[in-house]
Amino acid sequence: SQTIHQWPATLVQPVGSPLSLECTVEGTSNPNLYWYRQAAGRGLQLLFYSVGIGQISSEVPQNLSASRPQDRQFILSSKKLLLSDSGFYLCAWSVGDLTEAFFGQGTRLTVV
Amino acid sequence: GESVGLHLPTLSVQEGDNSIINCAYSNSASDYFIWYKQESGKGPQFIIDIRSNMDKRQGQRVTVLLNKTVKHLSLQIAATQPGDSAVYFCAEIFSSYGKLTFGQGTILTVHP
Repeated sequence: SQTIHQWPATLVQPVGSPLSLECTVEGTSNPNLYWYRQAAGRGLQLLFYSVGIGQISSEVPQNLSASRPQDRQFILSSKKLLLSDSGFYLCAWSVGDLTEAFFGQGTRLTVV
Repeated sequence: GESVGLHLPTLSVQEGDNSIINCAYSNSASDYFIWYKQESGKGPQFIIDIRSNMDKRQGQRVTVLLNKTVKHLSLQIAATQPGDSAVYFCAEIFSSYGKLTFGQGTILTVHP
């Protein structure tokens, strides 16, 4: 069966520090991978979308970047965090064009 | 879309009532629609989906209706239970782009 792992679950980082959130998927090949951000009490904003290794689509100009060094690994990064980067970050995967996406448990990031 | 930054609307119902949650989607060319349920502090979970060539699809206690003319999607939950309390999001995929984008979301509260 397929599983998605996202870590860490919670993170508190000072302003100006770097960020690296990792997401890995098991049990499937060539998944579509997503990074979303959710502010408290708000909707899910698509940040990055990837259909394959090295193929990253950035949806919103921002202080973040994403990389996909391996087929089932998706990394969200920042060189210098801003207070506005605080939020709930969710990784998700899907296979094929018209199928549901499955979500990880999320990372609660607080920038202080 | 623009709605991700807005506070989520709320719906309060009594246990046993039927609930109807509505969603307006953005892309008239979207091919596939999904309803997700998100409990506090967790990632969204798949509830039910519908393709654009259908008007209605039923699951266990849930029904999704699609009105392509007005770009409207609804989720009906029969005999709502306290465990149904959560945030409900609609999402759409336009097959040519393949990205899963979310609508605004609705907070459902079920009172015993």
